[in-house]
Amino acid sequence: ETGVTQSPTHLIKTRGQQVTLRCSSQSGHNTVSWYQQALGQGPQFIFQYYREEENGRGNFPPRFSGLQFPNYSSELNVNALELDDSALYLCASSNILYETQYFGPGTRLLVL
Amino acid sequence: QQQVKQSPQSLIVQKGGISIINCAYENTAFDYFPWYQQFPGKGPALLIAIRPDVSEKKEGRFTISFNKSAKQFSLHIMDSQPGDSATYFCAAPRFYSGYSTLTFGKGTMLLVSP
Repeated sequence: ETGVTQSPTHLIKTRGQQVTLRCSSQSGHNTVSWYQQALGQGPQFIFQYYREEENGRGNFPPRFSGLQFPNYSSELNVNALELDDSALYLCASSNILYETQYFGPGTRLLVL
Repeated sequence: QQQVKQSPQSLIVQKGGISIINCAYENTAFDYFPWYQQFPGKGPALLIAIRPDVSEKKEGRFTISFNKSAKQFSLHIMDSQPGDSATYFCAAPRFYSGYSTLTFGKGTMLLVSP
């Protein structure tokens, strides 16, 4: 186990709704990255947070947003949900000085 | 956009056999190549990683071989066991100003038959 926790484990929403996913990073880690993993695909980078600011972003629209808190935990918010947003959302924690990322168990989101 | 190409897409190996998964990358500005193992319903777990200052790294039954000139690295699972049945992802870091991300291959679904 990595010590990275995510909540909730599963979530069902309808198109147009908004969702917030949460992540608690591993002790000693100051960086959180979020990934989207569609069925049968590898994880795709959404964005990364360091020192409570977005540090970098992948090819995802602005309706994907996030927060990082002083304790390094993080939230992923998705507005105006679309059917294609159905996926496993993964949080990975790391130390900004090192490349190794440790993943949480993920939140499975289903958009109907 | 950095591409990481992984093959094969799926693999069936008999118990005790050798599983081999290959990855190719495009950009040479990387110095860290991890492999992740993912079981159904779980997040990816770091399995083993290599830096290109060595050509091979072994941890138990798992070995990474790295060929810098060919821009390829591979995972070998010796004496494969049914418990190794999972999806395996290779990844390469992509560095930007101030941060790095991981670019993943599409994964290899490994089934080890008893």
